[in-house]
Amino acid sequence: DAGITQSPRHKVTETGTPVTLRCHQTENHRYMYWYRQDPGHGLRLIHYSYGVKDTDKGEVSDGYSVSRSKTEDFLLTLESATSSQTSVYFCAISGGDRYNEQFFGPGTRLTVL
Amino acid sequence: LAKTTQPISMDSYEGQEVNITCSHNNIATNDYITWYQQFPSQGPRFIIQGYKTKVTNEVASLFIPADRKSSTLSLPRVSLSDTAVYYCLATDTGGFKTIFGAGTRLFVKA
Repeated sequence: DAGITQSPRHKVTETGTPVTLRCHQTENHRYMYWYRQDPGHGLRLIHYSYGVKDTDKGEVSDGYSVSRSKTEDFLLTLESATSSQTSVYFCAISGGDRYNEQFFGPGTRLTVL
Repeated sequence: LAKTTQPISMDSYEGQEVNITCSHNNIATNDYITWYQQFPSQGPRFIIQGYKTKVTNEVASLFIPADRKSSTLSLPRVSLSDTAVYYCLATDTGGFKTIFGAGTRLFVKA
């Protein structure tokens, strides 16, 4: 399995508080992604990164920001969490000679009360 | 990126071959077709990817006709452990901005 971890794995927070989720990889892959998955839905891309300090928006980026200061870490921040951001968040990576294949982390379950 | 359409759910029995069809009428010239599998409480896992004709690996086959407007994932001799959600995606050559639909929920019965 690809070396990709997410922290925390579970978090409960209150509306209006800032939240940061971390994705860490040991594969030295160039590309990193953040998705959210809601019940009955597939994954929706929030933001992605194509290199250190290079990021772009996905289809559901409103209310989220990201940062990538080094290859191995990709941070997702909810500046002011809302109940609609309650979801499971998955990080993914791709790169190397199989750059079209994404490897997913274990997910973070976030509950915003 | 092209939107893909696939059946919401399918049932099968152990030992049968399962074919899941995906429609992608507006696929771009540079797009690949990629399939992922997802078990409950886990992230998706790559199964297979192709551009045209047929691709086979140790777990599945992917058939893409010449017009590339559809594709079929074939799972030979499924087992109970193949019960999962299967996603069909059109991905560009960089693999960015992937769009996952709702997927097909496959339920394999004994």
